[in-house]
Parts: sequence; C-alpha cells; structure tokens
Amino acid sequence: DSGVTQTPKHLITATGQRVTLRCSPRSGDLSVYWYQQSLDQGLQFLIQYYNGEERAKGNILERFSAQQFPDLHSELNLSSLELGDSALYFCASSVADSDEQFFGPGTRLTVL
Amino acid sequence: GQQLNQSPQSMFIQEGEDVSMNCTSSSIFNTWLWYKQDPGEGPVLLIALYKAGELTSNGRLTAQFGITRKDSFLNISASIPSDVGIYFCAGRFYGGATNKLIFGTGTLLAVQP
Repeated sequence: DSGVTQTPKHLITATGQRVTLRCSPRSGDLSVYWYQQSLDQGLQFLIQYYNGEERAKGNILERFSAQQFPDLHSELNLSSLELGDSALYFCASSVADSDEQFFGPGTRLTVL
Repeated sequence: GQQLNQSPQSMFIQEGEDVSMNCTSSSIFNTWLWYKQDPGEGPVLLIALYKAGELTSNGRLTAQFGITRKDSFLNISASIPSDVGIYFCAGRFYGGATNKLIFGTGTLLAVQP
C-alpha cells in the first residue's frame, strides 16, 4: 500500500459526459501528479500540483482540468468524454518536487 | 508524448534465471528510476539513481545509471514467480523545457515456475 488513495476504482460512462476523479496523497506529500495509461500510449504525464499551485503540465487535453485543494487532495475533471479517453488514470504523490513518486491504485475509466 | 526506449519489450524466462533490461534516451538525464507494475495496480518504485555511473541494489535487483547519462540498466538475479509484471524506467532532466518525469515503454516479464 503506497498510502495514495484514489476513488472511484472503476468508472463507466458515456461519450460527451463529464467525470471527476479524486486523489488523496500520502500524508505529508505536497506534490500530486496525474498520469494517463493506455495500451497504445504507455504512461503519460498529465499535470502536477505542488501545495495547491500548478507546477508542471504535460500532455493534458483542454477538455481535462485538475486542481489541488487546501487539504492537498486533488481532483481531475474530464469533460466532453470521447471513446479514446478510456484508460487507467493514476495519481502519484511525492515530498516536495521529488522524482520518487508513489502511485495510487488507479481509476479505470471506460467511455462507451 | 515523449517516451524513453526500453528493451526488450517482453521476456519469458524460467524461474531462477537472471534478467537484464535497459532504457535509452536521446537526451541526458539527471535522474533515473525503475518502477514495477503488477496487473491492476499502480507502479511501485524499485530503485532511484541520481549520479552517472551509480550502481544501486535493492535485494535481488541492481540498477545502474549509465556513464553517458543517456541510459540505465536493471538486472534481476535468480528470478521468482512474483517478479512477474511490467517494469518501467523513468528519467528526468532538471532545467529542461520538459521538466517532468518521462516514462519508458515498459518491459513485460513473465516467469515460468
């Protein structure tokens, strides 16, 4: 158990819908990272938040957004969902800006 | 998106055999890490490397930060069935345009008892 929690574990929705994925980092970690993992794209970095502020941005679509709240939990919002958005979404956390990231169990999103 | 080249893509070995896999990049990195992902789980950090030439062990696992800073290697000795999973390398260059952790394409390891 990495100490990072993610909810829900599974999510099935339809195209055009909007969903919110939630992540709670390890106790004491200030950074939260979001990754997308699909069969053909591997593990892709989406975005990082550090202590409530956006720190780095990766290949995140404009339809996706994230935020980190004062209690340091984070949410990833995915809107206008398309079939191609079906993937595993991982949250990771780390102390400050460390590369030693600890991953949550992931949310499997299926868009029908 | 940007990815590291990892090889081999997959390996099917007998229990007790040693395993080697590597990761290469077209650019230099300051940090190399190795993760393992079990089916249905998130990646778990195995080894972190911070200096060119560094050799670090974690039990039966040994990883090296290549001298050129463009590659890294992971060796697993005397493999056991629970070594099954996907192994990912990850690297980062501080101060670059893309100051983020880049993940390799993964090596799928299957161990036959």
